[in-house]
Amino acid sequence: DVKVTQSSRYLVKRTGEKVFLECVQDMDHENMFWYRQDPGLGLRLIYFSYDVKMKEKGDIPEGYSVSREKKERFSLILESASTNQTSMYLCASSPDRDRAYNQPQHFGDGTRLSIL
Amino acid sequence: AQKVTQAQTEISVVEKEDVTLDCVYETRDTTYYLFWYKQPPSGELVFLIRRNSFDEQNEISGRYSWNFQKSTSSFNFTITASQVVDSAVYFCALSEGQAGTALIFGKGTTLSVSS
Repeated sequence: DVKVTQSSRYLVKRTGEKVFLECVQDMDHENMFWYRQDPGLGLRLIYFSYDVKMKEKGDIPEGYSVSREKKERFSLILESASTNQTSMYLCASSPDRDRAYNQPQHFGDGTRLSIL
Repeated sequence: AQKVTQAQTEISVVEKEDVTLDCVYETRDTTYYLFWYKQPPSGELVFLIRRNSFDEQNEISGRYSWNFQKSTSSFNFTITASQVVDSAVYFCALSEGQAGTALIFGKGTTLSVSS
């Protein structure tokens, strides 16, 4: 069965800290995605990656960066956390790069991040 | 530009009622894909269905059914005889048929089913 694992369910950090959110998938998927989910705004794409060491900006990349050193792992980095980055963060993956547009994405359980 | 509208923010029903969740989309492409996801209180989004733009057949899976109408750009989701376990946030999503594109999600509809 497909499994996307996010390292933390809940995380509390302080303003200005560098924050790492980790995501691992065990299905050998090429595509990985980071979203944030806020009430009334739905899911918004932050970054995605179709290959190792490759990244593409989504709709709201400001204040974030990503790293994909290995195929199974996709990290989201908040360089200097701010209170407006308090949110639910969801990681997802899908199998094939060339068919990412028509493939269901498999999601992790999410990380609820609070920045104080 | 792509857009997905779920006009119903919250819906409350009593068990055994039927409920329809609306989804209206906008796209300029002739090839596109539509998805529905369920997010229970545990947080993980669960894939429910995918439909491509060339397949307008309605689909039924147990108590769930989907009605795709290109003429009105809608892809509505009906739950028959709702149950408390159906309580969740439901998202409709759209993807255009091009390599390099990602899903565009609607803002979601929160369904509450009471006993």
